[in-house]
Amino acid sequence: DIVMTQSPLSLPVTPGEPASISCRSSQSLLHSYGYNYLDWYLQKPGKSPQLLIYMASGRASGVPDRFSGSGSGTDFTLKISRVEAEDVGIYYCMQALQAPNTFGQGTKLEIK
Amino acid sequence: QVQLVQSGAEVKKPGASVKVSCKASGYTFTDCYIHWVRQAPGQGLEWMGWINPNTGGTNYAQMFQGRLTMARDTSISTAYMELASLRSDDTAVYYCAKVLLGPSYYNYGMDVWGQGTTVTVSS
Repeated sequence: DIVMTQSPLSLPVTPGEPASISCRSSQSLLHSYGYNYLDWYLQKPGKSPQLLIYMASGRASGVPDRFSGSGSGTDFTLKISRVEAEDVGIYYCMQALQAPNTFGQGTKLEIK
Repeated sequence: QVQLVQSGAEVKKPGASVKVSCKASGYTFTDCYIHWVRQAPGQGLEWMGWINPNTGGTNYAQMFQGRLTMARDTSISTAYMELASLRSDDTAVYYCAKVLLGPSYYNYGMDVWGQGTTVTVSS
């Protein structure tokens, strides 16, 4: 199975400041078609997860443009340009290249 | 609007089976795969498998092989997840989510999730 490793696991951020989460995979997530099969999800407290980013850099419908995804191969990053109070929750990366899909451990973002 | 509505909470004894439903609305049911993901109390997300509602084809995580069955009823746009031989460590919230695959295997991610179904396994 592909192992996904996120860092940091805890991320305290001041509102208005930027934030960045790293996700590394144990194998390349680059498909022969040129796509990276890496998604980012946010799970707000007490809620179902929601899709933020698909295929490493595609922003899901309704997701604010302060969220962006980048990276290729085994190294990926989720960036929030200016954190808002509503962004608190646990962020997960997930690889969808091969079954079983696997998630990172999660990064808990909290407001300072 | 597009939504997935799951069945209600379940309490089961060890060794029993549980069947969770996931009713889709607002889109063409057979156009999107349905994935199942679970989350044990205080833990992260764990992928279980998917079903292709168009063909009925399935793909399960190896750790659930032999205990997990996914099915669908296209007449009522509903997917099902059945887990057998329940153990205490199967206690979790179970989610369904839909995934649209585009041309050349382009994957648009799990863009709509159900509200979750709590399954408690206890003697």
